Amino acid sequence: EDQVTQSPEALRLQEGESSSLNCSYTVSGLRGLFWYRQDPGKGPEFLFTLYSAGEEKEKERLKATLTKKESFLHITAPKPEDSATYLCAVGPKRDTYSGGYQKVTFGTGTKLQVIP
Amino acid sequence: DAGVTQSPTHLIKTRGQHVTLRCSPISGHKSVSWYQQVLGQGPQFIFQYYEKEERGRGNFPDRFSARQFPNYSSELNVNALLLGDSALYLCASSASGTENQPQHFGDGTRLSIL
Repeated sequence: EDQVTQSPEALRLQEGESSSLNCSYTVSGLRGLFWYRQDPGKGPEFLFTLYSAGEEKEKERLKATLTKKESFLHITAPKPEDSATYLCAVGPKRDTYSGGYQKVTFGTGTKLQVIP
Repeated sequence: DAGVTQSPTHLIKTRGQHVTLRCSPISGHKSVSWYQQVLGQGPQFIFQYYEKEERGRGNFPDRFSARQFPNYSSELNVNALLLGDSALYLCASSASGTENQPQHFGDGTRLSIL
């Protein structure tokens, strides 16, 4: 069974204090690893897709990296508006293809609070 | 362009009742997935529909059912509601519904069971 573990569960940073969030995964084969941001009372907002080990993607103060066993979301000089829960999810490879099948497994998220 | 829209935003029901939740995907997206998110947890996969056919089902009882219409909108139905069904129900859409494609989520329906 696919598993996604995120750490830490919660993280409190001072504004400008850089840090990293971790996502460890166990899947039979990876087709895509996704990072989402979720604000309270809202649905997850898509941030990045990573497809293969060594890949990196950046958006403003966020940078996502991928290895064969884990992904990191690096936050550089965070601002209070970066406060949210960050979710990691994996889309596994399957042995047979039946078209249009997308069972994605999510982690429980890291709740980030950035203090001014 | 409009994102994924869900209705209603909030719903209060009592145990044993039935509920229908609705979702309209992003224009051009043919895949719709439903997730249940309990407070403090990540979303859990319930169903995926692609081109009006069920393509995937998570570990949820038969009380949960769904369908997709010709315009690609979707309904999630839950019968014989239990207290444990209280959660945020999220709908997500993607263009072709494969595992390497990101999904785009609506803001969900908050379902409370009394």
